[in-house]
Amino acid sequence: GAGVSQTPSNKVTEKGKYVELRCDPISGHTALYWYRQSLGQGPEFLIYFQGTGAADDSGLPNDRFFAVRPEGSVSTLKIQRTERGDSAVYLCASSLVSTVNNSPLHFGNGTRLTVT
Amino acid sequence: RKEVEQDPGPFNVPEGATVAFNCTYSNSASQSFFWYRQDCRKEPKLLMSVYSSGNEDGRFTAQLNRASQYISLLIRDSKLSDSATYLCVANEDNDMRFGAGTRLTVKP
Repeated sequence: GAGVSQTPSNKVTEKGKYVELRCDPISGHTALYWYRQSLGQGPEFLIYFQGTGAADDSGLPNDRFFAVRPEGSVSTLKIQRTERGDSAVYLCASSLVSTVNNSPLHFGNGTRLTVT
Repeated sequence: RKEVEQDPGPFNVPEGATVAFNCTYSNSASQSFFWYRQDCRKEPKLLMSVYSSGNEDGRFTAQLNRASQYISLLIRDSKLSDSATYLCVANEDNDMRFGAGTRLTVKP
């Protein structure tokens, strides 16, 4: 079956521009996560959705970052007024939540964002 | 202080060697734990879950010590294909936090 799909795979934008990154999770997965990964670092948690609602957005670095999941499936991460420090690989993952909270994450291939 | 800490390595070992990675987590409420593997410029993939009693999957053994908030991964008989970065994950109520990863290179 289809895995987690992220588009675009690469995005180059100029400083100050607005970007949207899309994630299409595995069908039926209720939990969706966004992470950011810089070279040589592990994935840094940004936000976690349970259904349509953001269950935890404590990882969003500032108010330039926003994410939505209006129908509980596809999610969009939005970054306003991009800065060079936003350059990273943005990873999306989904999970089939079980009652014992022991569901592994399935990652997409990521979107490599470069802000020039 | 990071929530999940790992020795970044790199670990450079010959084929056939046994190698162990350690990970500590700061959130005592963490409920479940995992090891993920990440190849260069690829997405992380689940290697194995970590159970309180310890668990084994082929050449890989994972251990959990809740009292010390410590997780380990042991790889026996290392293969060239084991070369990757190994990420430790602690989970509380589906809040999944990753360590920075430990890089392993297995050499002929």
